[in-house]
Amino acid sequence: GAVVSQHPSWVICKSGTSVKIECRSLDFQATTMFWYRQFPKQSLMLMATSNEGSKATYEQGVEKDKFLINHASLTLSTLTVTSAHPEDSSFYICSARDFKGYEQYFGPGTRLTVT
Amino acid sequence: AQSVTQLGSHVSVSEGALVLLRCNYSSSVPPYLFWYVQYPNQGLQLLLKYTSAATLVKGINGFEAEFKKSETSFHLTKPSAHMSDAAEYFCAVSDRVGGYQKVTFGTGTKLQVIP
Repeated sequence: GAVVSQHPSWVICKSGTSVKIECRSLDFQATTMFWYRQFPKQSLMLMATSNEGSKATYEQGVEKDKFLINHASLTLSTLTVTSAHPEDSSFYICSARDFKGYEQYFGPGTRLTVT
Repeated sequence: AQSVTQLGSHVSVSEGALVLLRCNYSSSVPPYLFWYVQYPNQGLQLLLKYTSAATLVKGINGFEAEFKKSETSFHLTKPSAHMSDAAEYFCAVSDRVGGYQKVTFGTGTKLQVIP
């Protein structure tokens, strides 16, 4: 149980375009989902916390107008990278928290490359 | 504020040797502690977790960790390293910040297993 999927697993896009990444909890309801960004050989950096039915909470330094997060249902959250630039190229990982609240289940990640 | 320190960004061990990955944390309240493993271009997989029950926690793949409050440590060990253990390992702490659980990751330790 507690499986989280991400789609796509990798994507290449041109500079200036927008890309949407989906995060789904497959076998449980996730009231909260998290979006992380990981640069090569570095740790995970929390970008935002997404609560179902409400606006996401962004960490300091993360542009909310660039990284649009929508959590419309208890099993789906989306991250849209708008007007992507090469510096947005990274590994994006989502996680979902169960009702007990202390453990997160991670998706397999999405590799974004902006050319 | 909570924080996690992982000593040693790279650790090399011989196949069959003891694996010891160090993690120290700081938290204002009793924390939940986790160890995750990440293989290249993949998401995070939970190895084990401490949630204020037994201080010695056994996880998957033969790993275990001991919570030592007096030392604020949660080191990860495995008696005998396998080649398949080569990966990046992250220690994480979760405690309640502003009314919700927030997870903070360490910077990671890359484990190399030498045949």
